[in-house]
Amino acid sequence: EVQLVESGGGLVQPGGSLRLSCAASGFTFSSYSMNWVRQAPGKGLEWVSYISSSSSTIYYADSVKGRFTISRDNAKNSLYLQMNSLRAEDTAVYYCARGLNRAVVRAFDIWGQGTMVTVSS
Amino acid sequence: DIQMTQSPSSLSASVGDRVTITCRASQGISNSLAWYQQKPGKAPKLLLYAASRLESGVPSRFSGSGSGTDYTLTISSLQPEDFATYYCQQYYSTILTFGGGTKVEIK
Repeated sequence: EVQLVESGGGLVQPGGSLRLSCAASGFTFSSYSMNWVRQAPGKGLEWVSYISSSSSTIYYADSVKGRFTISRDNAKNSLYLQMNSLRAEDTAVYYCARGLNRAVVRAFDIWGQGTMVTVSS
Repeated sequence: DIQMTQSPSSLSASVGDRVTITCRASQGISNSLAWYQQKPGKAPKLLLYAASRLESGVPSRFSGSGSGTDYTLTISSLQPEDFATYYCQQYYSTILTFGGGTKVEIK
């Protein structure tokens, strides 16, 4: 079964750090680009970051650039999001999402169940 | 960044109704558009990409069309399992953006 499982969410104080992980299974992880997408409580979807299959290309949303770092370990079939200098507005469910395996189509065909990050004092 | 505006933000419909949701981009996106369905407490599900290509396993009552800046998602005959929130997403630019969502409720 193709599956993505996020972990690492929790409660953190403003200015703090958190590292999210996403474990992939059921497919050749190293062949796919990956993304993080978040959703604040009761709000819509917001794309956060993209990493290509080989980690050669990385993009960030302006809202997290300079504070968040995406990375992956293809040997461990894992995706990561290091989040520093967290703000209240970063409070959201964070999803990892697989990029569709078609050239130039940056849509997401497989999603994890999400992990909740709450930034509050 | 490219802004995506969905309309309506919500609608009420009955089983069997034809439903159309619109997504307008702030600039042309050359059919680089995907549609997702999200049910409460669940992750989004990809329905279509490239504006009109149906993702594998998605029922054929879902269809997409459009060009330039204006795109539509149509559900030809609404089924009970289709009551959900729908999002469009453009991938024309490096920075990906979603529409605000359209909640489809039972009338």
